[in-house]
Amino acid sequence: TQLLEQSPQFLSIQEGENLTVYCNSSSVFSSLQWYRQEPGEGPVLLVTVVTGGEVKKLKRLTFQFGDARKDSSLHITAAQPGDTGLYLCAGRVPTSGTYKYIFGTGTRLKVLA
Amino acid sequence: ETGVTQSPTHLIKTRGQQVTLRCSSQSGHNTVSWYQQALGQGPQFIFQYYREEENGRGNFPPRFSGLQFPNYSSELNVNALELDDSALYLCASSSRQGNYGGYTFGSGTRLTVV
Repeated sequence: TQLLEQSPQFLSIQEGENLTVYCNSSSVFSSLQWYRQEPGEGPVLLVTVVTGGEVKKLKRLTFQFGDARKDSSLHITAAQPGDTGLYLCAGRVPTSGTYKYIFGTGTRLKVLA
Repeated sequence: ETGVTQSPTHLIKTRGQQVTLRCSSQSGHNTVSWYQQALGQGPQFIFQYYREEENGRGNFPPRFSGLQFPNYSSELNVNALELDDSALYLCASSSRQGNYGGYTFGSGTRLTVV
């Protein structure tokens, strides 16, 4: 059974601070995605990383896929209150001749103004 | 383009009852996946539908079943509801099986079983 563990589970920081969220597994994934989910809404896709060692930037967010494609990190620079939400990583795995995404446990971020 | 629409948004059912949740996929998407998200946890994969057939299933009992229609919309049916079935049920559509493009999620149906 593939498991994706995220750390920390909860994070409360002041506006302007930097932070890093980690997503770790013992399994290899063909790709990994990061989503942000706000209360009462479904997750919204932020990025997909495919190649080991890949780094992608989305404004103040930097995503990295581990060399062995087992882990990933999300770094936010100068966090803003609008970054508040539940951050989820999801790894792509084969199932029954197709693929599915399994989700991590989530990191709940609160950015205080 | 329209996004993923789920109905109803909220639902309260009694233990032992049956429920049907509905999902309209995003225009151009032919694959629908259903997830269960318990409070404070990440979404758990229930199953996926492609070309009107179940194509991949998570660790959920047979009382969780589904359908996909020719227009790619989908239903999730849960029989003999249990208290632990209380959760947010998310539908996600994608453009084809196993693509790297990721999902477009609906806002979910909040199911409460009492």
